[in-house]
Amino acid sequence: DGGITQSPKYLFRKEGQNVTLSCEQNLNHDAMYWYRQDPGQGLRLIYYSQIVNDFQKGDIAEGYSVSREKKESFPLTVTSAQKNPTAFYLCASSPRYNSPLHFGNGTRLTVT
Amino acid sequence: RKEVEQDPGPFNVPEGATVAFNCTYSNSASQSFFWYRQDCRKEPKLLMSVYSSGNEDGRFTAQLNRASQYISLLIRDSKLSDSATYLCVVRPGTYKYIFGTGTRLKVLA
Repeated sequence: DGGITQSPKYLFRKEGQNVTLSCEQNLNHDAMYWYRQDPGQGLRLIYYSQIVNDFQKGDIAEGYSVSREKKESFPLTVTSAQKNPTAFYLCASSPRYNSPLHFGNGTRLTVT
Repeated sequence: RKEVEQDPGPFNVPEGATVAFNCTYSNSASQSFFWYRQDCRKEPKLLMSVYSSGNEDGRFTAQLNRASQYISLLIRDSKLSDSATYLCVVRPGTYKYIFGTGTRLKVLA
């Protein structure tokens, strides 16, 4: 079955530690995205990538970094510079322009 | 003004009722429109794309009004299982997707 896999589902970290969230897709989609969702708020775009080895900052990129070395993979690193990292992180992909987004099942990150 | 706005609700309706949500968008050049459903603590799932001529999928009907810059979702014969948050998504002609904050629907027995 094709889909997007995010791991882990729950992640706990101490303040000051960097953490990397995994996102893998086998849908052969070109574009991949990272969103953050906080309670009572909409999804906010962190980074997106249209093709391998290329990515662009979204609306809230500060404190985050990404890489896109393979079409299937788009990992997100939450650095210690991110002031409020506790959130629900969603990875998504899209096959082409004007197509809807497909989401992974998310990673819930808690930083204490 | 937010790029995409939705009434947060909650809309509390009895089973069998018809309910409608609107979503307004600010960028008149927006090209693609979608409705997603999100259950509590889960990922959003595509409910339907919204086409210029309007489209229907079973009990769900989506409409686009470009002149007034809004899209709508109509749910007929509401079921308990329709209880969720409904997200409006607009693509303003770039690779970015803009999400509304969602409208909560509770269908009551």
